[in-house]
Amino acid sequence: AQSVAQPEDQVNVAEGNPLTVKCTYSVSGNPYLFWYVQYPNRGLQFLLKYITGDNLVKGSYGFEAEFNKSQTSFHLKKPSALVSDSALYFCAVRDRMNSGYSTLTFGKGTMLLVSP
Amino acid sequence: DAGVIQSPRHEVTEMGQEVTLRCKPISGHNSLFWYRQTMMRGLELLIYFNNNVPIDDSGMPEDRFSAKMPNASFSTLKIQPSEPRDSAVYFCASSVQRNTGELFFGEGSRLTVL
Repeated sequence: AQSVAQPEDQVNVAEGNPLTVKCTYSVSGNPYLFWYVQYPNRGLQFLLKYITGDNLVKGSYGFEAEFNKSQTSFHLKKPSALVSDSALYFCAVRDRMNSGYSTLTFGKGTMLLVSP
Repeated sequence: DAGVIQSPRHEVTEMGQEVTLRCKPISGHNSLFWYRQTMMRGLELLIYFNNNVPIDDSGMPEDRFSAKMPNASFSTLKIQPSEPRDSAVYFCASSVQRNTGELFFGEGSRLTVL
């Protein structure tokens, strides 16, 4: 079974400061990892994914995430937050060992609030 | 590309009425997913199709819920009869069926059952 934990319901940060949104995962094999963002009254939008290779993945809007296999984590980061980054962020995992049909398992989401 | 298209965007109905939500996936995508989002339970996978065939419907909450995908460009999620606890935002998503493929979500259908 695969699962994702986002330990923080909400993260508050001031504009211009660095931000981190935490995610840990559990899979039986190696993971494919994803981050999505949801703005109010919108669907989820893909931000970035880790498939293989470099542990630091860069994505849309200046976001990046670091895959840490020993800590089973995939934290989302941005060096300088913008007020417009305020949104709901979802981490998701898919087990690489699953062949054929497999689905993403999403975390519960973390609300990011960036204050001016 | 127009992306995943869902309709209606908003639906208000009374308890006991039938509700039909519609989805047009991205052309060329062969996997389609229906999710439900509520404050209490977050994002829940209801059902998943691959090449128009339902693969996993274990997330469908009750027999009142049914989903069909008659062809590669159209899917419906039906609730009959609807109940107030069905009030939620229902999302459709599509992807190319491979493990590295990300999902592309529609804008959602917000359902309110009075």
